[in-house]
Amino acid sequence: NAGVTQTPKFQVLKTGQSMTLQCAQDMNHEYMSWYRQDPGMGLRLIHYSVGAGITDQGEVPNGYNVSRSTTEDFPLRLLSAAPSQTSVYFCASSPGQGRLGDGYTFGSGTRLTVV
Amino acid sequence: RKEVEQDPGPFNVPEGATVAFNCTYSNSASQSFFWYRQDCRKEPKLLMSVYSSGNEDGRFTAQLNRASQYISLLIRDSKLSDSATYLCAPTPMDSSYKLIFGSGTRLLVRP
Repeated sequence: NAGVTQTPKFQVLKTGQSMTLQCAQDMNHEYMSWYRQDPGMGLRLIHYSVGAGITDQGEVPNGYNVSRSTTEDFPLRLLSAAPSQTSVYFCASSPGQGRLGDGYTFGSGTRLTVV
Repeated sequence: RKEVEQDPGPFNVPEGATVAFNCTYSNSASQSFFWYRQDCRKEPKLLMSVYSSGNEDGRFTAQLNRASQYISLLIRDSKLSDSATYLCAPTPMDSSYKLIFGSGTRLLVRP
């Protein structure tokens, strides 16, 4: 199993550009989430999904869109990149309610710089 | 009040020391928690799940204090490799399974 795979690992964008961060998991996990991590700020939840076709906002959703058309994939779209979106983005997945103790498994992250 | 709060540290301890840090939470209904470990420039990894009875895994012991609404992580016989940031998160209480983390406590173990 590859676990949670995020692409790309690094990205530089110009202000105003749009892009999609990809996230895929091969563990048949129900739940998936996107976090951003800034220095000294910890992990902040952007969007999450409890299953295919179901998404909801987290703590800091503005400027981001998500969709969940399949169980495996949960892409994060930046609509119009801003320097404030410079961060490390982590995707994570979890088996779901029946296995609460398993927590979330994280991908290795995407380091995004917006200039 | 934030949902989860942690002392950012850093806690700077010598190798072999015992160190403990806490994580306070605001939702009194929370019954279980996670401790994650995050190495510099790496993804968080699950260290342990903590239930009402606490949890122990080798040199690591986690306990839940419901009355004061905090969980603790105790590390005995600290190793250089324990240097990392430790993040806590309460297990979600509703069907959303939103996992909200504290900002983490940084531990530095020196030779």
